[in-house]
Amino acid sequence: NAGVMQNPRHLVRRRGQEARLRCSPMKGHSHVYWYRQLPEEGLKFMVYLQKENIIDESGMPKERFSAEFPKEGPSILRIQQVVRGDSAAYFCASSPASAARFTDTQYFGPGTRLTVL
Amino acid sequence: QQQVKQSPQSLIVQKGGISIINCAYENTAFDYFPWYQQFPGKGPALLIAIRPDVSEKKEGRFTISFNKSAKQFSLHIMDSQPGDSATYFCAVTDSNYQLIWGAGTKLIIKP
Repeated sequence: NAGVMQNPRHLVRRRGQEARLRCSPMKGHSHVYWYRQLPEEGLKFMVYLQKENIIDESGMPKERFSAEFPKEGPSILRIQQVVRGDSAAYFCASSPASAARFTDTQYFGPGTRLTVL
Repeated sequence: QQQVKQSPQSLIVQKGGISIINCAYENTAFDYFPWYQQFPGKGPALLIAIRPDVSEKKEGRFTISFNKSAKQFSLHIMDSQPGDSATYFCAVTDSNYQLIWGAGTKLIIKP
């Protein structure tokens, strides 16, 4: 009974490169949320997706960041032309479609720690 | 504007003691108040949560105290153990999915 899986766990990129972060939700979960955590800070909501749909991307930077959750395969958070300020831990969480309130049932993955050199 | 203020930033407690972490919020529309526990290298995990219709909720050694009029809530860990050493986050929400997080408290339990 695997939990939420994220890969890679650690990612190093040079400025200007692209970063792709993957999230496989728990079995049976069709809702995915991405959060960013800067050092010594709490998590900041970025985007909420259902299969093939972006529901709320109000926390996403307007440029360079995009997210998708295709019908098949993991959810992808993509950061183009990374800058040093993108260095952070990126967490995804998933919840089941049947959840009466999604915050009660958001299960978090172990995170991807992105370092931009 | 910081919507959730968490304190202290770090806390050292002797084994067997009581650990207390506090959070204050601004928006009276918030109606769900969870606490998360995060170990190094892991994602946060829901520990305990409360809704504003009750003033206290207890689960084992963990208790949330909620003061609606003061817009504050706190986590109490009784009989603190070294295995409780972790970073604790409070969060709030007024929506069905968008959590707003405190900055975290690093708790160390000394044996």
